[in-house]
Amino acid sequence: RKEVEQDPGPFNVPEGATVAFNCTYSNSASQSFFWYRQDCRKEPKLLMSVYSSGNEDGRFTAQLNRASQYISLLIRDSKLSDSATYLCVVNPGGGADGLTFGKGTHLIIQP
Amino acid sequence: GAVVSQHPSWVICKSGTSVKIECRSLDFQATTMFWYRQFPKQSLMLMATSNEGSKATYEQGVEKDKFLINHASLTLSTLTVTSAHPEDSSFYICSAIRDSYRAGYTFGSGTRLTVV
Repeated sequence: RKEVEQDPGPFNVPEGATVAFNCTYSNSASQSFFWYRQDCRKEPKLLMSVYSSGNEDGRFTAQLNRASQYISLLIRDSKLSDSATYLCVVNPGGGADGLTFGKGTHLIIQP
Repeated sequence: GAVVSQHPSWVICKSGTSVKIECRSLDFQATTMFWYRQFPKQSLMLMATSNEGSKATYEQGVEKDKFLINHASLTLSTLTVTSAHPEDSSFYICSAIRDSYRAGYTFGSGTRLTVV
C-alpha cells in the first residue's frame, strides 16, 4: 500500500465551480499534514497546513480525519489560476523529518 | 522570508561526469535540509536528510556513494551526483525547515538534470 494516495485526475472543472480532493495516508502515527501546490516544472509551494479541527484560508478549506486517515481539500469559486497539481503531504515522524508526498491530483480549470 | 535558493536551475551533462547542486537558505539558518527527486509524473521522493556538521542520512535504495551530500554550514547544503548516467536525469529539489515543522517546509526552485 502506498504511503500517501491521491486520485491523480485530471479533474476538469469550469471556472467558479467547487472542487474537492481526497487523500489517504497509511502511517497512523503521522502528526502533521499539508497541502502543497505544484505548477508544471516548478517546486512545490505550501498551500496550507491541515489541522485536526479543520481550517480555512479564503476559498480553501482543509479537513483531517485521523480515525479514517483521510485528508481533504475543498476549493470554492475556482479560478483559472487554480490550475495546478495539488500534493497531499504528510510528515510521518511528527518532527523535523522529511516529508512523504502523494503523487498529486492534477486540476484544470476551464473558462 | 524563508527563502531557499537552489542552483543551477537546469544542467545538461555527459554520462560519467559529476554535477554539483547547491542549496542555500538566504534569510534563516537551516540545521536540517532535505533532498528530493521527482521523476516525470511521479511524486517527490525523499533521497536524504542533511544535517549541518554531520553525515547525511540516506533513504533506502539511495546510493550514498553516488549522491554525495555536504552540509558544511547552517546555510548551505550541496548534492553531488557522481558519475551521472541517463537514469539519473530527474528534477532534484532541496528543502529546509525554518522554525516549526508545522509551518511547513520551504523548497528550493529545483534543478532539472539531464544526462546525455
